Amino acid sequence: GAGVSQTPSNKVTEKGKYVELRCDPISGHTALYWYRQSLGQGPEFLIYFQGTGAADDSGLPNDRFFAVRPEGSVSTLKIQRTERGDSAVYLCASSLRGQSSYNEQFFGPGTRLTVL
Amino acid sequence: AQKVTQAQTEISVVEKEDVTLDCVYETRDTTYYLFWYKQPPSGELVFLIRRNSFDEQNEISGRYSWNFQKSTSSFNFTITASQVVDSAVYFCAPLSRYDMRFGAGTRLTVKP
Repeated sequence: GAGVSQTPSNKVTEKGKYVELRCDPISGHTALYWYRQSLGQGPEFLIYFQGTGAADDSGLPNDRFFAVRPEGSVSTLKIQRTERGDSAVYLCASSLRGQSSYNEQFFGPGTRLTVL
Repeated sequence: AQKVTQAQTEISVVEKEDVTLDCVYETRDTTYYLFWYKQPPSGELVFLIRRNSFDEQNEISGRYSWNFQKSTSSFNFTITASQVVDSAVYFCAPLSRYDMRFGAGTRLTVKP
């Protein structure tokens, strides 16, 4: 079956612009996660959705970052007034159930964001 | 918050050697899960193994085995008879209800 997909694969933008990154999870997976991975580092947790609601958004670095999942499937990560420090690979993952359950997360290929 | 230490930044071995990747974690949670993921050059993270905090039984799955010791908060991962295709960055990740954190990763290079 289809895995987690993310679009675009690459995004180049200018400092100060607004960007949207999309994640399409595996069908039937209720839990969805966003991570950010900088070069040479492990994935850094941003936000976790259980269904339509953000169950844990403690990893969002500041209020320029926002994510939605209006129908409990596709999710969009939105970054306002981008800064050069936002440049990273943004990873999306989904799992059958939430963090407290014994389910591995399946990762998408990521979106490489470059802020010039 | 949890903390994960993967002390080995890079490891290089020759094909068919066994290699162990170390992971030490800190957590205040009594219930948690431990995962290892692999990130090959293609970039996509791949799930390898998992263990819950209640089960310290060590297991073998094919060429992979792991050693979980709750008393020392270590969750080491061993690849037996390494192959060139095992070359990747390996991440240890303790996950619990309220926090999730990946280690910085260990880059494994397997030379032919």
